[in-house]
Amino acid sequence: NAGVTQTPKFRVLKTGQSMTLLCAQDMNHEYMYWYRQDPGMGLRLIHYSVGEGTTAKGEVPDGYNVSRLKKQNFLLGLESAAPSQTSVYFCASRTGQITEAFFGQGTRLTVV
Amino acid sequence: KQEVTQIPAALSVPEGENLVLNCSFTDSAIYNLQWFRQDPGKGLTSLLLIQSSQREQTSGRLNASLDKSSGRSTLYIAASQPGDSATYLCAGTDKLIFGTGTRLQVFP
Repeated sequence: NAGVTQTPKFRVLKTGQSMTLLCAQDMNHEYMYWYRQDPGMGLRLIHYSVGEGTTAKGEVPDGYNVSRLKKQNFLLGLESAAPSQTSVYFCASRTGQITEAFFGQGTRLTVV
Repeated sequence: KQEVTQIPAALSVPEGENLVLNCSFTDSAIYNLQWFRQDPGKGLTSLLLIQSSQREQTSGRLNASLDKSSGRSTLYIAASQPGDSATYLCAGTDKLIFGTGTRLQVFP
């Protein structure tokens, strides 16, 4: 019962470095989402996907790119990390618009 | 733009009290409303999902209602326990937009 798995769980980056966060789900869900969570700000939507090969911008997309080449995977990329991207990142998935969403355990990213 | 507001931002109560947490949203074109719980340093756990055609859902001591006309959802927690201490979040719409949450502390 893996559900939604995020890799890695922790990472420290230097300013300007790049990295990719992986979200994998084994529930055959169409919709997938990437959020960041900062103290006092709640969860803010970065990008989302409504199916394989599709992506769309959320509330705070700048500085991030995403890809959904396979239905089960949703990748979040940081091309040139900045300290402002220090945050906890969460991934979620669900079958459709009216169905229950499931979350991963988060990735804690620190950019120094 | 969809906005989701949760009131109160924080709540501290003695064990045994019945609680009401509020979630307001600006867009009436909401497909469903989902309530989550988040423990410190952890991910989100789904509590209840209310479809737009439903008025309420119940799970154990939790009851959630949805009123699309007024743009409100309420999470009712009966006979609160210290184990209920967590942050409670609501989210709705096709983009799964979140409120900022209610931080609940239940003390013995």
